[in-house]
Amino acid sequence: SAVISQKPSRDICQRGTSLTIQCQVDSQVTMMFWYRQQPGQSLTLIATANQGSEATYESGFVIDKFPISRPNLTFSTLTVSNMSPEDSSIYLCSVSEATRGQFFGPGTRLTVL
Amino acid sequence: KNEVEQSPQNLTAQEGEFITINCSYSVGISALHWLQQHPGGGIVSLFMLSSGKKKHGRLIATINIQEKHSSLHITASHPRDSAVYICAAVRSGSRLTFGEGTQLTVNP
Repeated sequence: SAVISQKPSRDICQRGTSLTIQCQVDSQVTMMFWYRQQPGQSLTLIATANQGSEATYESGFVIDKFPISRPNLTFSTLTVSNMSPEDSSIYLCSVSEATRGQFFGPGTRLTVL
Repeated sequence: KNEVEQSPQNLTAQEGEFITINCSYSVGISALHWLQQHPGGGIVSLFMLSSGKKKHGRLIATINIQEKHSSLHITASHPRDSAVYICAAVRSGSRLTFGEGTQLTVNP
């Protein structure tokens, strides 16, 4: 199965600033996703990160707030822009393998003060 | 109404008990995941199934496509099984829609 790493593992940020989260996979994958888990909640899909083209965002999420890059088949970044305390969450990337399902990164725990 | 619903939300069991967590969905899916999330936040996929039944050790997952229902069973539960269990429907483009999760606590 794919091995996924994320950086940073956690961060504490001031409101109004931006944070970029990196996701690295040890093999080439077509499908890569970014999820958010707010405190006490389940996960919500933010967007599908498409290699070489713009990400596909779910309802309620916009590119200006969560810009995503996917320069190649092993790497993606998610930026949380102009942060507010409501952005405090765990952010996870995942990859999908056709017959084996999805594998998740360890997550980035973000606290916004 | 959520597209994916789980029950119960919280479950406390004694070590050795048989545990069942249920998941119902109201949307079209290609498959369904059962995920396990430990307190540190890491998520592991236990099963992905699109029909019938799968078994891995003490864990069994079943799905009834016609009834849009899936169950996760844990036999001979152990304190190390304590975690949040989440069902997730696989939608088009491999996107996941998640249930709210079931917090399982197994006491020794």
